[in-house]
Amino acid sequence: GQQLNQSPQSMFIQEGEDVSMNCTSSSIFNTWLWYKQDPGEGPVLLIALYKAGELTSNGRLTAQFGITRKDSFLNISASIPSDVGIYFCAGQASGSRLTFGEGTQLTVNP
Amino acid sequence: GAGVSQSPSNKVTEKGKDVELRCDPISGHTALYWYRQRLGQGLEFLIYFQGNSAPDKSGLPSDRFSAERTGESVSTLTIQRTQQEDSAVYLCASSLRHPNTGELFFGEGSRLTVL
Repeated sequence: GQQLNQSPQSMFIQEGEDVSMNCTSSSIFNTWLWYKQDPGEGPVLLIALYKAGELTSNGRLTAQFGITRKDSFLNISASIPSDVGIYFCAGQASGSRLTFGEGTQLTVNP
Repeated sequence: GAGVSQSPSNKVTEKGKDVELRCDPISGHTALYWYRQRLGQGLEFLIYFQGNSAPDKSGLPSDRFSAERTGESVSTLTIQRTQQEDSAVYLCASSLRHPNTGELFFGEGSRLTVL
């Protein structure tokens, strides 16, 4: 089946710093999604990408659908304490179900 | 309700007992998914329902696990003869249609602890 490699597994940063995380796939995807999971809650969709090369922003978050269709990155600018959580990438090939990455645990020190 | 609703939110049970977890998807969502998330781990796909089609059970870890869904409404995930390794958060998600958008909406999960 399809596999996603998400990195880094964890990040410890200072408030105000920028963050970057990425996912790579062994398969071509038609959709890339980025989710955030707060402690004790289910994942919530942050950004959805549907076209190769697409760059989409949501406030301080920016995500890109890689031109090869096998990767995506998520950037968070000027991090704040509430950015703490687990970030998951997810990819979907045509006709297949969504595949999730293993997650990036983000810790923001005030 | 407006979102995916799961119950119970927490369940503590003894090894060997059966448990049943419930999911109410967003109204009108035809696709429903169950995932398992062990502590500090990612999302492990269990099973997926799409309308009246046969469910995709390829992620169920053993025959102790089963799930049902009535039409496009409530789903129940049943774990028989629970083991300590079954301890995890069980997340349900629904989406408007499958497989094209992939925009899953998750519930808050049911945390299962097997003693």
